[in-house]
Amino acid sequence: QSALTQPPSASGSPGQSVTISCTGTSSDVGGYYYVSWYQQHPGKAPKLMIYEISQRPSGVPDRFSGSRSGNTASLTVSGLQAEDEADYYCSAYAGSKQFLVFGTGTKVTVL
Amino acid sequence: QLQLQESGPGLVKPSETLSLTCTVSGGSISSATYYWGWIRQPPGKGPEWIGSFYYGGTTYYNLALKSRVTISIDTSKNQFALKLSSVTAADTAVYYCARHTPAGPNDFWGQGTLVTVSS
Repeated sequence: QSALTQPPSASGSPGQSVTISCTGTSSDVGGYYYVSWYQQHPGKAPKLMIYEISQRPSGVPDRFSGSRSGNTASLTVSGLQAEDEADYYCSAYAGSKQFLVFGTGTKVTVL
Repeated sequence: QLQLQESGPGLVKPSETLSLTCTVSGGSISSATYYWGWIRQPPGKGPEWIGSFYYGGTTYYNLALKSRVTISIDTSKNQFALKLSSVTAADTAVYYCARHTPAGPNDFWGQGTLVTVSS
């Protein structure tokens, strides 16, 4: 099972928006509603930001939103803030045999 | 509040077996609602799912690692363990234990523990 493909980097100025893509196949991203996004600061464990394509866990700001079109999911961070600078990873359910697959990661820089 | 904590050696020699334990507090691994599993992240790379189980059910393994991985549970201590045999330098990573729902997401993670494979 190959990792999901993400752009290595993305950036934006404070207050702007940035969108990160996550491309998989019909066997993972495009096949189930179970696409998640994680934020990871250096030296820390990943933190769940989005689940089931577009749902936000309690406590996650509504500046974070998710969507999907075909085999590509996207995470948009609106109103960028300094604390949003981090690595972001997508994850998708890949069926009962392979279960979970993660993305290659995108480093978001706030200029 | 649910907490997970990994423990085990930080250095393992090539060809030996990596052994880690995850201790869960604030929740029970005997709950059939959640899956409990292991995820690793090599330095500078994305996470990789290793395997998961739910109490009373099947244990699932990453097909690429299946021949070398065993996940076991100790309900009396509310712990679960990872064994990865025949390790090489490619197995050097931060290893996390985490909880997830049947089809994801991982909503609670341990802090992670770095395991280096080196002689």
